[in-house]
Amino acid sequence: GDSVTQMEGPVTLSEEAFLTINCTYTATGYPSLFWYVQYPGEGLQLLLKATKADDKGSNKGFEATYRKETTSFHLEKGSVQVSDSAVYFCALTPDTGRRALTFGSGTRLQVQP
Amino acid sequence: EPEVTQTPSHQVTQMGQEVILRCVPISNHLYFYWYRQILGQKVEFLVSFYNNEISEKSEIFDDQFSVERPDGSNFTLKIRSTKLEDSAMYFCASSELGSSGGNEQFFGPGTRLTVL
Repeated sequence: GDSVTQMEGPVTLSEEAFLTINCTYTATGYPSLFWYVQYPGEGLQLLLKATKADDKGSNKGFEATYRKETTSFHLEKGSVQVSDSAVYFCALTPDTGRRALTFGSGTRLQVQP
Repeated sequence: EPEVTQTPSHQVTQMGQEVILRCVPISNHLYFYWYRQILGQKVEFLVSFYNNEISEKSEIFDDQFSVERPDGSNFTLKIRSTKLEDSAMYFCASSELGSSGGNEQFFGPGTRLTVL
C-alpha cells in the first residue's frame, strides 16, 4: 500500500539556519503530495502541495519539489525563524480517486534564538 | 476565515463507555473526514463521508465506530464501547471539491480522547 517516510526528529536549528526535512513516498502512479504543519496546541494546517511531477509547492518561505524519479518531496527553507517551531507532516493522496491522506510520522522542528 | 471546529477539546471516559466526538465542518464543504493520532505515532485515516454516506474507510474503522451527519452542520464520530487503545487525538477535516487529488483538507484542532 501507499506509505510516506520522513526523517526522524527532533530537528534543532538556530535562527536563520537552512532547513531540510526529507520525505520519500511509495505509491503507484502520480499521487498528490502535501506538507502539513501543526503548531503547538493547534490542528493540522496545509503548508504547501504539489500535484504533478516537477511541480514546486511554496508558501511562507518553505518550498518542496515533487521528484518522481526519486519519489521524494523534501521540505526546505532558507532561513528559519523561532516561529517556525512546529511538527511537520508529509502526506499524499493517490491518483486512484481515493481521498484519504496517508501521513508520514511527522518531524518536530525546534528553532532556537 | 472559516474553520473546522471540534468539541470537546478533551474527553475522558471509562473503558466500555460510548463517546461521541463532534465536529462542525466548513459550511460549503462536501467531504468530511476523521483521522486519529495515537500519542507518538502517525496520523491515521479512519473514514470519509460524502452525500450522507461513508465513501471510504480504513481497517481501523470497525463495527465499534460510526459516523453521522445529524443535521446540516454537525458531523459526529461515535465509538460504541471504548477500549484503552482508542486513546488518541481525533481530528476532523473537511474539503470542498468533488474531484480527487490536490484538494486541501481543512483540519480542526482535535479532540483528545483518554480512555481509563
